[in-house]
Amino acid sequence: DGGITQSPKYLFRKEGQNVTLSCEQNLNHDAMYWYRQDPGQGLRLIYYSQIVNDFQKGDIAEGYSVSREKKESFPLTVTSAQKNPTAFYLCASSIDPTSSGRKFFGPGTRLTVL
Amino acid sequence: SQKIEQNSEALNIQEGKTATLTCNYTNYSPAYLQWYRQDPGRGPVFLLLIRENEKEKRKERLKVTFDTTLKQSLFHITASQPADSATYLCALASNYQLIWGAGTKLIIKP
Repeated sequence: DGGITQSPKYLFRKEGQNVTLSCEQNLNHDAMYWYRQDPGQGLRLIYYSQIVNDFQKGDIAEGYSVSREKKESFPLTVTSAQKNPTAFYLCASSIDPTSSGRKFFGPGTRLTVL
Repeated sequence: SQKIEQNSEALNIQEGKTATLTCNYTNYSPAYLQWYRQDPGRGPVFLLLIRENEKEKRKERLKVTFDTTLKQSLFHITASQPADSATYLCALASNYQLIWGAGTKLIIKP
């Protein structure tokens, strides 16, 4: 059963902590993405990767970091430098790395700052 | 400034009727437009893609139109069912970016 998995589903962060959100896909897609979703706003791109060992900043990369050591994995770290991290985080992948490519999304991780 | 707008108010439709959702944009020249469905607490699911040179696209009970003159896409669900209740997102592909609308919540009443 192919797809994208994200873990955990819910995550709580204390002030000053770094937390890492997991994203794994078995679709054999080259391109992977991290989006942030806030109420009343469209999805905003944090980071994307078109190929292993390469990634690019999106529109709101400050306070976040990623790695792409394996094709199937694209973890996102929310650092203490991100001042307003409470949001719903979505990982996606696509066969077509261009902007027009259909995106396959994971189930999301809801991050809350305590 | 560049904007993509979807009706922020929920759309209430009686079961069996056609639901029509709107996606308007300004200052973009999109090559493609995509529509996704998102259920509460879940990731979006791709529904349809329409290219700038296509006027209309259909898939089962779904129909999307794309008017580059009006800068608008309409998303129709015919013979709507309560199971169609969800938030529907549009996304424009322009200049190698994918720009997302905030979505419209659709409620189909039995």
